[in-house]
Amino acid sequence: GQNIDQPTEMTATEGAIVQINCTYQTSGFNGLFWYQQHAGEAPTFLSYNVLDGLEEKGRFSSFLSRSKGYSYLLLKELQMKDSASYLCACMDSNYQLIWGAGTKLIIKP
Amino acid sequence: ETGVTQTPRHLVMGMTNKKSLKCEQHLGHNAMYWYKQSAKKPLELMFVYSLEERVENNSVPSRFSPECPNSSHLFLHLHTLQPEDSALYLCASSQKGGSGANVLTFGAGSRLTVL
Repeated sequence: GQNIDQPTEMTATEGAIVQINCTYQTSGFNGLFWYQQHAGEAPTFLSYNVLDGLEEKGRFSSFLSRSKGYSYLLLKELQMKDSASYLCACMDSNYQLIWGAGTKLIIKP
Repeated sequence: ETGVTQTPRHLVMGMTNKKSLKCEQHLGHNAMYWYKQSAKKPLELMFVYSLEERVENNSVPSRFSPECPNSSHLFLHLHTLQPEDSALYLCASSQKGGSGANVLTFGAGSRLTVL
């Protein structure tokens, strides 16, 4: 079956760095997405990786290793507003999105 | 208005009621989606309308009925729901086809409570 695994919850300190991991098993692969969702709000698009390597966007970076079925989202210089859930999703060979259950990130002062 | 708008934001209904959720997108996208989001579970795709074609998840009960009158509007009609249907219902849109990733733009969701 198809499966996405990511930690349920993580805690980090303001100003620090945190890495949220995502492992996947899908029928084929057409890219991996990360979305951010603040409580009570819409998920918003953060990043898309389809080739191996690191993509950097300001304080956020996303990494992909297709051979390992692995991705991570790296958040630097954490701010209180980064407290949110982070959703990992893979697109399979039929271009269907397979979602993880999300990682709730708690930032402490 | 911009983006994807969902109404109502909150809905409480009894098991015998009939209600509808509404979604409107102002992005000119050609695909619209209904997702169910339950606590600590992955997003569950319920229905997709893409280029006037409907794709549905066969596990969605018939008490959920979608309607897409045009490319900008999407409804989810609810009838004789069960308490386990209580969840956040998210609407999304995207531009399918062409180059690049099929990025979804979500609405803020309709929080449904079935008593």
